[in-house]
Amino acid sequence: SQTIHQWPATLVQPVGSPLSLECTVEGTSNPNLYWYRQAAGRGLQLLFYSVGIGQISSEVPQNLSASRPQDRQFILSSKKLLLSDSGFYLCAWSKGLAANEQFFGPGTRLTVL
Amino acid sequence: QKEVEQDPGPLSVPEGAIVSLNCTYSNSAFQYFMWYRQYSRKGPELLMYTYSSGNKEDGRFTAQVDKSSKYISLFIRDSQPSDSATYLCAMSAGGNQFYFGTGTSLTVIP
Repeated sequence: SQTIHQWPATLVQPVGSPLSLECTVEGTSNPNLYWYRQAAGRGLQLLFYSVGIGQISSEVPQNLSASRPQDRQFILSSKKLLLSDSGFYLCAWSKGLAANEQFFGPGTRLTVL
Repeated sequence: QKEVEQDPGPLSVPEGAIVSLNCTYSNSAFQYFMWYRQYSRKGPELLMYTYSSGNKEDGRFTAQVDKSSKYISLFIRDSQPSDSATYLCAMSAGGNQFYFGTGTSLTVIP
């Protein structure tokens, strides 16, 4: 069976500090990978998605970036965090060829102070 | 107009009640429909997945899709306190884009 991991689970960072959130998927190959941010009452905002190693599509201009160094690894980064980057970050995956269902990780709660 | 509309609630019901959760959408190209359950401070968990129109049942949960009305529903029978969570609807036309409702908060009172 497939599982998706995210870490850390919780993170508190000062404004201006760097960020690195990691997501890995097990039990599948060549998945589509996604980063979302979830804000209370505003649903899920798609930040990035990737259909393969090194292939990243950005949905929203921002000071975040994403990378996919391995088939089942997806990383969300920032060089300098802003207060507005606080939120609940979710990684998700779907099957590569038939992206009919999407499965989410446990999430990372980021607080920028 | 948002792609997907979902009443945020909150919805509060007594234990044992039948719960009806709904979403409407505007894009007639959507053909894959999902319902997620999200407990506080956790990631969404896929509950139900339906392709095209029709009903799908899994235990106490039934998902309905009416493409002619662009309307989907999730029914929960014999609701339990453990069903208390936020329920998100999601849909896709089959590509890499998924569209989500904002979620309905449900509380089942013992």
